[in-house]
Amino acid sequence: GAVVSQHPSRVICKSGTSVKIECRSLDFQATTMFWYRQFPKQSLMLMATSNEGSKATYEQGVEKDKFLINHASLTLSTLTVTSAHPEDSSFYICSAIEDTEAFFGQGTRLTVV
Amino acid sequence: DAKTTQPPSMDCAEGRAANLPCNHSTISGNEYVYWYRQIHSQGPQYIIHGLKNNETNEMASLIITEDRKSSTLILPHATLRDTAVYYCIVRVNNNAGNMLTFGGGTRLMVKP
Repeated sequence: GAVVSQHPSRVICKSGTSVKIECRSLDFQATTMFWYRQFPKQSLMLMATSNEGSKATYEQGVEKDKFLINHASLTLSTLTVTSAHPEDSSFYICSAIEDTEAFFGQGTRLTVV
Repeated sequence: DAKTTQPPSMDCAEGRAANLPCNHSTISGNEYVYWYRQIHSQGPQYIIHGLKNNETNEMASLIITEDRKSSTLILPHATLRDTAVYYCIVRVNNNAGNMLTFGGGTRLMVKP
């Protein structure tokens, strides 16, 4: 199946700093990618839909100024967590649709200290 | 997308079949049943999907009831590596960018 690659897989940052997470579709083009967040022992929660060449669509309760999404090309979407706080520590996962099927990145474990 | 209901957890003995149920009583005629699993600290992995016929691939079998209100994922010979959270999701099968809505899933523990 298609491959979605996320980078980094783990990151530790200091409170108040910003962290960028990359999501790439390696062998297909994705006009739409999705960003999810998962807290321990909970299910995946959709944060936003990333659209190539246009603004992202955020789910209710997700701050667009805190979670900046850029989808500048058909193979790359980035999520930047700005002014990170310990409560932003979570597992972030991206997904892309290729020919009706959804493929997921391996996830990024963010720890804010 | 229709809501799904799954038991929160199940145990299975290694080498035995694991049967994971899912209820989706409000499924629409154009919605497919998808199964994904998530091994600890990894992204979800696609397993199988179907519309109304039973499906089988190298990983699992999917049995969908005739009224389509429920389904069962069958792992024929569970191994320890099948320990994961299994998500049953119903969605329209198109390339218009439909995201997946995850419920609670079933935490399957395969025991030696």
